[in-house]
Amino acid sequence: ETGVTQSPTHLIKTRGQQVTLRCSSQSGHNTVSWYQQALGQGPQFIFQYYREEENGRGNFPPRFSGLQFPNYSSELNVNALELDDSALYLCASSYDRGTQYFGPGTRLTVL
Amino acid sequence: QKEVEQNSGPLSVPEGAIASLNCTYSDRGSQSFFWYRQYSGKSPELIMSIYSNGDKEDGRFTAQLNKASQYVSLLIRDSQPSDSATYLCAVSEGGGADGLTFGKGTHLIIQP
Repeated sequence: ETGVTQSPTHLIKTRGQQVTLRCSSQSGHNTVSWYQQALGQGPQFIFQYYREEENGRGNFPPRFSGLQFPNYSSELNVNALELDDSALYLCASSYDRGTQYFGPGTRLTVL
Repeated sequence: QKEVEQNSGPLSVPEGAIASLNCTYSDRGSQSFFWYRQYSGKSPELIMSIYSNGDKEDGRFTAQLNKASQYVSLLIRDSQPSDSATYLCAVSEGGGADGLTFGKGTHLIIQP
């Protein structure tokens, strides 16, 4: 167990809806990174938050947005859901942008 | 575009043998290298990290890095059925702003 938690575990939404996923980082960690993992693929970097600021972003459209709170927990928001957004969403926490430890993930299904 | 290449497998290895997993990467600026293990339906679990050329050993696992050849490998000695999983190679430039770039993973099967 890494001490990183994510909620919810599973989620079903319909195309066009909005979704918010949540992540609590491991105690002592100040960095949260979000990844999308489609079936049979490796995780793809969405963005990273370090000390409440977005620190880097992968090749994802602006409808993917995030937030980090003073306690270093984080949210991932996705607007205007598309069918291709169906995936496992992974949160990873680290200290000072170092080695990343993953939470259990949220499985999102878009119908 | 940064790329990490892995043979998707499946790689089948007899129990007790050495499993050898390989990975190549395209970005010469990469500074940090990681191997994660992912069981079906679960999230990635960190196995090894390596930052400098050469070998790094941790129990039954040995990571090898050759930056000149842009090559990373993971050796698993005395393979056990519980080692059956997908092994993900990940690289980053360091500093974390670019996140981790992952390969698609190698599916390893340890045959009892």
